Amino acid sequence: KNQVEQSPQSLIILEGKNCTLQCNYTVSPFSNLRWYKQDTGRGPVSLTIMTFSENTKSNGRYTATLDADTKQSSLHITASQLSDSASYICVVSAIGNEKLTFGTGTRLTIIP
Amino acid sequence: DAGVIQSPRHEVTEMGQEVTLRCKPISGHDYLFWYRQTMMRGLELLIYFNNNVPIDDSGMPEDRFSAKMPNASFSTLKIQPSEPRDSAVYFCASSLRVGGAQYFGPGTRLLVL
Repeated sequence: KNQVEQSPQSLIILEGKNCTLQCNYTVSPFSNLRWYKQDTGRGPVSLTIMTFSENTKSNGRYTATLDADTKQSSLHITASQLSDSASYICVVSAIGNEKLTFGTGTRLTIIP
Repeated sequence: DAGVIQSPRHEVTEMGQEVTLRCKPISGHDYLFWYRQTMMRGLELLIYFNNNVPIDDSGMPEDRFSAKMPNASFSTLKIQPSEPRDSAVYFCASSLRVGGAQYFGPGTRLLVL
C-alpha cells in the first residue's frame, strides 16, 4: 500500500532559526515528490518538485532533498520567517497515476 | 488566470439537508480533483476527472456523495443528505497533465449541525 509518513507532526521554532522536516514514502513505481505549503484557511501550494534523478532542489530559503534509495525526503528552511508558519505536506505520485499519496503534514509555527 | 475558484467559501447547514459545492478549474487544465481535509485524516482524494469524465471515484465515502463535471469549466460535489461527520474542508484542484502540479482552490469549509 502506498504511504507517506512525515515527522515531526508539529514544530515550534524561533524566528531566524533553521529547521528540517522529514518525509518517508513507500510509493511505487515512484514518479515525483512534491512539498506543498498550506497556510491556515487556504489551499496547498506547491513549493518544489523532485524526480527520481534529482537529489537537491532549492526555492529561495527552502531546500528539498531526495534519497530515492532510502525513499526519504527532507525540506530544510533557512532563516525562518513568521510567514513560514504553515503546514507542510509531502506528496508523492506514482508513474502513470494521477492519484497522489499525501502525508499528514508537519505543522510549523515560527515565534518572534 | 484567477486560479481555481470554489464556492461557497463557507457553508453551515443542518443534518439531512442537501449541500452543493462548486468548482471552476484553471482554463486549459484537463484534470480536476475533489479532496476532503480533516484534522484526523488529512487530505483525502474523493474523485477525479479527466476531460470531464470521472476516472476514479473510489474515494467517495458513500452513495450520499456525488460529483459531476458537465463541461470543462465547471464541476459540482453534492452531498445528500448531509451528516455531521461530513464536516470538513473540501478542496477542488486542477492540473494540466499526468503527474503535473495540482493547483488548489481556497476550499469550502462545511459545517453540518
